[in-house]
Amino acid sequence: GEDVEQSLFLSVREGDSSVINCTYTDSSSTYLYWYKQEPGAGLQLLTYIFSNMDMKQDQRLTVLLNKKDKHLSLRIADTQTGDSAIYFCAESIKGTYKYIFGTGTRLKVLA
Amino acid sequence: GAVVSQHPSWVICKSGTSVKIECRSLDFQATTMFWYRQFPKQSLMLMATSNEGSKATYEQGVEKDKFLINHASLTLSTLTVTSAHPEDSSFYICSARAPLGTGPGQPQHFGDGTRLSIL
Repeated sequence: GEDVEQSLFLSVREGDSSVINCTYTDSSSTYLYWYKQEPGAGLQLLTYIFSNMDMKQDQRLTVLLNKKDKHLSLRIADTQTGDSAIYFCAESIKGTYKYIFGTGTRLKVLA
Repeated sequence: GAVVSQHPSWVICKSGTSVKIECRSLDFQATTMFWYRQFPKQSLMLMATSNEGSKATYEQGVEKDKFLINHASLTLSTLTVTSAHPEDSSFYICSARAPLGTGPGQPQHFGDGTRLSIL
């Protein structure tokens, strides 16, 4: 099957780091993405990682990929209240342009 | 860059009405666009892939006659919910696939969604 699982909820204090996890089952994915969705809005592309990479850092965001365990994570350093949103991981399906989205993690940042 | 505009952002209409939602790529040409449906507190469910100049490809379980998709130009795809009923109420989101050379794996860029409420 092609299921992408995420923990439903994460709460952190402002200034702390947040780590959002994602597990997937389709090992043939070429790219994996992280998107952010604010209430009532569409999805904003945050970052991505190519499947042959282990890590990618982009300012406050660090993506880690463990292909063996099919595990992807997004670390947000110095989390701010503006980071409160729902975060979706997505994997691209090899041979198509389609994505499979994760179940979404609601991040709440406490001041 | 890579701005996708979706219109309208909110629609409330009576049961039996047909509703058209537009998805435009403002600063790039998109041969492929996607239409998703999102229920409250749930993930995105792909409904169909919209291909410029050809018929849309629908996912299993999505009624073609109910959800009409037209991708008449490289910057515009439309989704028409025909004879809408309360169970069609949902948040509909479109995306456009980035053209070659503009991003890794040509990522999808999303509109801000349309909230459809059928009374």
